[in-house]
Amino acid sequence: EADIYQTPRYLVIGTGKKITLECSQTMGHDKMYWYQQDPGMELHLIHYSYGVNSTEKGDLSSESTVSRIRTEHFPLTLESARPSHTSQYLCASSEEGPGEKLFFGSGTQLSVL
Amino acid sequence: AQSVTQLGSHVSVSEGALVLLRCNYSSSVPPYLFWYVQYPNQGLQLLLKYTTGATLVKGINGFEAEFKKSETSFHLTKPSAHMSDAAEYFCAVSDANQGGKLIFGQGTELSVKP
Repeated sequence: EADIYQTPRYLVIGTGKKITLECSQTMGHDKMYWYQQDPGMELHLIHYSYGVNSTEKGDLSSESTVSRIRTEHFPLTLESARPSHTSQYLCASSEEGPGEKLFFGSGTQLSVL
Repeated sequence: AQSVTQLGSHVSVSEGALVLLRCNYSSSVPPYLFWYVQYPNQGLQLLLKYTTGATLVKGINGFEAEFKKSETSFHLTKPSAHMSDAAEYFCAVSDANQGGKLIFGQGTELSVKP
């Protein structure tokens, strides 16, 4: 059902590398989100966007940055990856309205060595 | 501030047995409540949600949940577990002031024994 895509699915990189996690959706949703998920823990919102050129930081502080130049695209960038960034990153989008459901991508599992 | 507490990080049931996953929330305004399921190596997908109206909500795959304001609870149930129900389940809360942002619980891993 979901038309939201994340790449890569898995990424293993060395410390200090710059990385970009891609997220695209074809549903025309204005609202998009990035969540960080560690094993056995809740999802933490790290970034969100309510439309083009709109980005906000979420509840969990993150060294990553995001951009929203196009409605369908919401990439997340880490300028210099560290082992503490090792985690699963989930992208989501939703329609307008506070009670609307989120559509999630399959996630990117990032491992920084 | 809103919060969600899921009681039990791991629940194990036998196939055919009742499934009960507990969720309590904290919210200063009327909440929107959600249950999401995450199968291995997949993203989350919505099971059911409560916004307004009937407090007993039916979702996909035979799951249902009841919003109990007096108990600030939104427990998820299924009368008869199936092997395919084994997954991670997340309860989440939002409200009209949050612009669609969800606060998630820590998740409950459901195991189903044959």
